[in-house]
Amino acid sequence: DGGITQSPKYLFRKEGQNVTLSCEQNLNHDAMYWYRQDPGQGLRLIYYSQIVNDFQKGDIAEGYSVSREKKESFPLTVTSAQKNPTAFYLCASSPGQRTSGRGNEQYFGPGTRLTVT
Amino acid sequence: KQEVTQIPAALSVPEGENLVLNCSFTDSAIYNLQWFRQDPGKGLTSLLLIQSSQREQTSGRLNASLDKSSGRSTLYIAASQPGDSATYLCAVLDSNYQLIWGAGTKLIIKP
Repeated sequence: DGGITQSPKYLFRKEGQNVTLSCEQNLNHDAMYWYRQDPGQGLRLIYYSQIVNDFQKGDIAEGYSVSREKKESFPLTVTSAQKNPTAFYLCASSPGQRTSGRGNEQYFGPGTRLTVT
Repeated sequence: KQEVTQIPAALSVPEGENLVLNCSFTDSAIYNLQWFRQDPGKGLTSLLLIQSSQREQTSGRLNASLDKSSGRSTLYIAASQPGDSATYLCAVLDSNYQLIWGAGTKLIIKP
């Protein structure tokens, strides 16, 4: 089955530790995205990648890092520099064509809920 | 800067009613608008995508409209069912090809 997987579903860490969230897709999509979702707010873009070995900061990149060594994978590291890391993290992918058509339609994974204490 | 607003933040209606969810955006320079559904603790499912040149899209009991000039979209749900209970999110693809999101409307359909 084609889709996007995120693991783990729940993640608990102590303050001061780095943690890496996994995102894998087998849709052959060029573009991948990481969002953060907090209660009562819209999704906020952390990082995105339009192509392998290239990625761009989103609106709230501070305290996060990513890599895109393979087309299928876009892991997100939440570093100890992120002041308020507890949130629901969503990964998405899209075919990636920069047009007004469905090439930009994003498909989402099930999310990872990170709790830092 | 593009801003997307969804009102109301929460809505509770009896089963069987038709209902409308609202989404407004501040900058009409968009490529498309999408409506998503999110169940508690889950990812997002795309419901409808309206291109900027279109006025509406329909899928089953769902109908989404777009009035770009006034910066508004509505999601109409006909004959609501308890299984429609979820949070509904709208997002616009802005001139930088970035999705800008509303905070969502939490919908509860009472049996």
